[in-house]
Amino acid sequence: LAKTTQPISMDSYEGQEVNITCSHNNIATNDYITWYQQFPSQGPRFIIQGYKTKVTNEVASLFIPADRKSSTLSLPRVSLSDTAVYYCLVGEWMDSSYKLIFGSGTRLLVRP
Amino acid sequence: SQTIHQWPATLVQPVGSPLSLECTVEGTSNPNLYWYRQAAGRGLQLLFYSVGIGQISSEVPQNLSASRPQDRQFILSSKKLLLSDSGFYLCAWRRQGPEAFFGQGTRLTVV
Repeated sequence: LAKTTQPISMDSYEGQEVNITCSHNNIATNDYITWYQQFPSQGPRFIIQGYKTKVTNEVASLFIPADRKSSTLSLPRVSLSDTAVYYCLVGEWMDSSYKLIFGSGTRLLVRP
Repeated sequence: SQTIHQWPATLVQPVGSPLSLECTVEGTSNPNLYWYRQAAGRGLQLLFYSVGIGQISSEVPQNLSASRPQDRQFILSSKKLLLSDSGFYLCAWRRQGPEAFFGQGTRLTVV
């Protein structure tokens, strides 16, 4: 599985757009990019996944450049409840033995 | 709908005592199952994963073992707990695609 690198922490204010970038220089052709969110004392929760270009759902957008060596999770107009740790994962999830390895994540703090 | 059950929610055990954490999944068949441990303020460390009954892959050499006696049952065990085994233990399942579903976790404190 490709290794990912994310900022350790980020600060923002309510109502702002937050962009968290993840580097995955060794991503393989069949790898997908997945993001999870984790609140304290809870298990991670799936946010979004993509392969290339842009993906948007009701929670976030995921931007992936053509070389796929990085990806950016975009959270529009964050609120205090978006304070959490965000993890970027890369892997061939179509494989039945996908190991689902988490990195250190980015700790996002949203301030009033 | 699918649900995952993990228990107990909290556990305090003395050093050297055994451990058994159980995780069960309902509403799906032949899931991939995972055990993670999370130390305070740290990321998730993959301990074991399983693609089928009796098939266990270990990611990190440690004082723990895992078993999958039934399709939707995943058990984490230890014969003798160490202080370093303290942490937040999470079970997860995945059927197809990238989305995994996590249990509520067990906070284990070894004293």
